[in-house]
Amino acid sequence: EAGVAQSPRYKIIEKRQSVAFWCNPISGHATLYWYQQILGQGPKLLIQFQNNGVVDDSQLPKDRFSAERLKGVDSTLKIQPAKLEDSAVYLCASSPVGGDTDTQYFGPGTRLTVL
Amino acid sequence: AQSVTQLDSQVPVFEEAPVELRCNYSSSVSVYLFWYVQYPNQGLQLLLKYLSGSTLVKGINGFEAEFNKSQTSFHLRKPSVHISDTAEYFCAVSDVAAGNKLTFGGGTRVLVKP
Repeated sequence: EAGVAQSPRYKIIEKRQSVAFWCNPISGHATLYWYQQILGQGPKLLIQFQNNGVVDDSQLPKDRFSAERLKGVDSTLKIQPAKLEDSAVYLCASSPVGGDTDTQYFGPGTRLTVL
Repeated sequence: AQSVTQLDSQVPVFEEAPVELRCNYSSSVSVYLFWYVQYPNQGLQLLLKYLSGSTLVKGINGFEAEFNKSQTSFHLRKPSVHISDTAEYFCAVSDVAAGNKLTFGGGTRVLVKP
């Protein structure tokens, strides 16, 4: 079974530029999460989808961050415009609806550096 | 709201020695508890989880953790570490009734020395 795929793995941009990250969850996983992990800290949930609907986006800075999950499979997370403090690793995770619903499976992450 | 405190940011340990990573949480509701490991430049991998039942939970790679409800703790242990256990370890809780949203601690970096 393939794991959670993310791309790109690394991205360097100037502040005020835009950037987008892509995530493909494990096949059949209905729930998808985006986390922000700042260096030296634990991951922080940004947004949670169930199929293509948003379950929780309370910690998403909506003035600059947006996310979508069209068709309930792949997801993209966008930052526009980026700030220096957005430098972090962005992790995508997914979990199934039935069975092992409490366990989240993580992708390798996208490391963003904002200069 | 929940919070997780990992009391040690860094733990150096010699190979084949035991290690304990401490985790305390606070929550007003029932929670599930997790330990994840993150190797350099990789995503998080589940080590073990506590949902209910026996308070001693065994996970992968020889790790185990004990849930202590009265002390709101979920400490992780391994009796004999290997060089390959060098990684960052995260304790996390999820609100059983709130869509399994995970709240993570700040992480403990384990450095195994030969």
